[in-house]
Amino acid sequence: KQEVTQIPAALSVPEGENLVLNCSFTDSAIYNLQWFRQDPGKGLTSLLLIQSSQREQTSGRLNASLDKSSGRSTLYIAASQPGDSATYLCAASYGNNRLAFGKGNQVVVIP
Amino acid sequence: DAGVTQSPTHLIKTRGQQVTLRCSPKSGHDTVSWYQQALGQGPQFIFQYYEEEERQRGNFPDRFSGHQFPNYSSELNVNALLLGDSALYLCASSLDRSNYGYTFGSGTRLTVV
Repeated sequence: KQEVTQIPAALSVPEGENLVLNCSFTDSAIYNLQWFRQDPGKGLTSLLLIQSSQREQTSGRLNASLDKSSGRSTLYIAASQPGDSATYLCAASYGNNRLAFGKGNQVVVIP
Repeated sequence: DAGVTQSPTHLIKTRGQQVTLRCSPKSGHDTVSWYQQALGQGPQFIFQYYEEEERQRGNFPDRFSGHQFPNYSSELNVNALLLGDSALYLCASSLDRSNYGYTFGSGTRLTVV
């Protein structure tokens, strides 16, 4: 079964600190992994997409890594800001036309 | 460049009723997937449509059905609504056979009372 786990479920950090969010997946035969941001009651905004052949992707203050052998991806957010407060979801694609999502990391950045 | 558009944004229905949700994919995308997200949970795959046919289905009962139109837009229908169907319904579009990820809409919040 293709399961995705995100730990911790919730975390709070002071403004300016770096955020590290972890995502684990059970099946290493992954096509790609996508990180999303979700604000309360809203849809999903794609942040980064890492292909299986890549080890990391960067966009501004965001960096995501992918380690297929260990079944892990990490999202780094540098110098966190209150506007970064949201739920971050990772989703694994196995080429079977569906995404397997974790439950998300709910982040609060304290001013 | 219009992204994925979903309507309506909010909906309240009574148990036993039927509901139809609508989705227009991102320009250039030909594949539409539907997900259900309960409060505090990750989205769960309902089904995917491509070339006007249901290509794959998740673990949802037959009360959930869908349709894709020639212009790639899609509808999700839910019959005999249950309280447990209350959730955020998300539509995602993609380009078939590509590996460029999915684009999600803002969702429809369905409340069943």
